[in-house]
Amino acid sequence: GIQVEQSPPDLILQEGANSTLRCNFSDSVNNLQWFHQNPWGQLINLFYIPSGTKQNGRLSATTVATERYSLLYISSSQTTDSGVYFCAVVWYGGSQGNLIFGKGTKLSVKP
Amino acid sequence: GAGVSQSPSNKVTEKGKDVELRCDPISGHTALYWYRQSLGQGLEFLIYFQGNSAPDKSGLPSDRFSAERTGGSVSTLTIQRTQQEDSAVYLCASSFSGGTGELFFGEGSRLTVL
Repeated sequence: GIQVEQSPPDLILQEGANSTLRCNFSDSVNNLQWFHQNPWGQLINLFYIPSGTKQNGRLSATTVATERYSLLYISSSQTTDSGVYFCAVVWYGGSQGNLIFGKGTKLSVKP
Repeated sequence: GAGVSQSPSNKVTEKGKDVELRCDPISGHTALYWYRQSLGQGLEFLIYFQGNSAPDKSGLPSDRFSAERTGGSVSTLTIQRTQQEDSAVYLCASSFSGGTGELFFGEGSRLTVL
């Protein structure tokens, strides 16, 4: 099956710093999403981005499908950005479109 | 509804008992998914329903787990003879169309098996 690898696994930032989270996947995909899981466990949709670049406020994401990776940029980080960031893909070779998750990047933003 | 609704939000049960978890997807969404998240872990796919097609049950961990979706809307995940290793958060998601559609998650049902 497809492998979804996220890096780094853990990240500690000072408030105001910028960061880049990476998601590599081992095969062609037809859906890619980034989620933020807050400390209460809620999964929040950040981006639906099978290809191209999108921006939403301080966050932006780029997926280069031909090179099998996606990047999530967080600028001017805030303590409320803390939590786990998941990348998830739907694999062309999979069955009926279930979303396969990476193991996540745990982000801690210190005041 | 406005979002994916799951109930109960918390369930504590004794080992060996059966439990049912409910998911009400976003109105108009044809695809419905169940995932499981153990403490500190990523999300594990369980089962996927798409319209009237046969569900993809490839992620169900054992025959104690089953799910149904009635009328193409509400889904129930049933765990029979619960074990302590079943303790986890069970998350439901829906999308307008399977495969390429954007998934939206509910807040989950936290199951604790004593």
